[in-house]
Amino acid sequence: AQKVTQAQTEISVVEKEDVTLDCVYETRDTTYYLFWYKQPPSGELVFLIRRNSFDEQNEISGRYSWNFQKSTSSFNFTITASQVVDSAVYFCALSGGDTDKLIFGTGTRLQVFP
Amino acid sequence: GAVVSQHPSRVICKSGTSVKIECRSLDFQATTMFWYRQFPKQSLMLMATSNEGSKATYEQGVEKDKFLINHASLTLSTLTVTSAHPEDSSFYICSASDRGVYGYTFGSGTRLTVV
Repeated sequence: AQKVTQAQTEISVVEKEDVTLDCVYETRDTTYYLFWYKQPPSGELVFLIRRNSFDEQNEISGRYSWNFQKSTSSFNFTITASQVVDSAVYFCALSGGDTDKLIFGTGTRLQVFP
Repeated sequence: GAVVSQHPSRVICKSGTSVKIECRSLDFQATTMFWYRQFPKQSLMLMATSNEGSKATYEQGVEKDKFLINHASLTLSTLTVTSAHPEDSSFYICSASDRGVYGYTFGSGTRLTVV
């Protein structure tokens, strides 16, 4: 069975601090995809990144970066120089196999204070 | 880019009535659509998976007679909450997948309140 664990329920930081959100996954599929989504208070899900299981290169997009390590089944997300607008709930998600289901972790609520 | 339109965004209904939520993929054909439910401060829980022209596959613990899903075309799926009760109040969000270019595209969600 597929599972996504986000051990950090809530994180609070002060603006300009760097923050890393952890994500650990479990799957028996050899081909799978990992995602990160942001959910602001409005509720809409904002897509951040999709990574397939064969691409372990780290990715950087502006202040965002992702570290994918198959050896530890982790796909961590780092926000550099956090801003108040980064305050939201962040979800890590996993899909794979024949069913195409996207399974979400429990989410990490990030609060960035000025 | 891919867009999924979900309506209504908010609905308040009386206990015992039925509510229909629509999810449309506007610029691509969605091979599969997914329906999620999210309680306050909780994660998105997958309720069911629907493929165009076939019966939906429900996750364990989800009442198929209560949450009717119809996927009549490659661009439209509907979720009907039948005989709604206050405990059905939640945020419902759909997702469309084309198993290819766009991956998963989410609707903006529907906040259902049953009074």
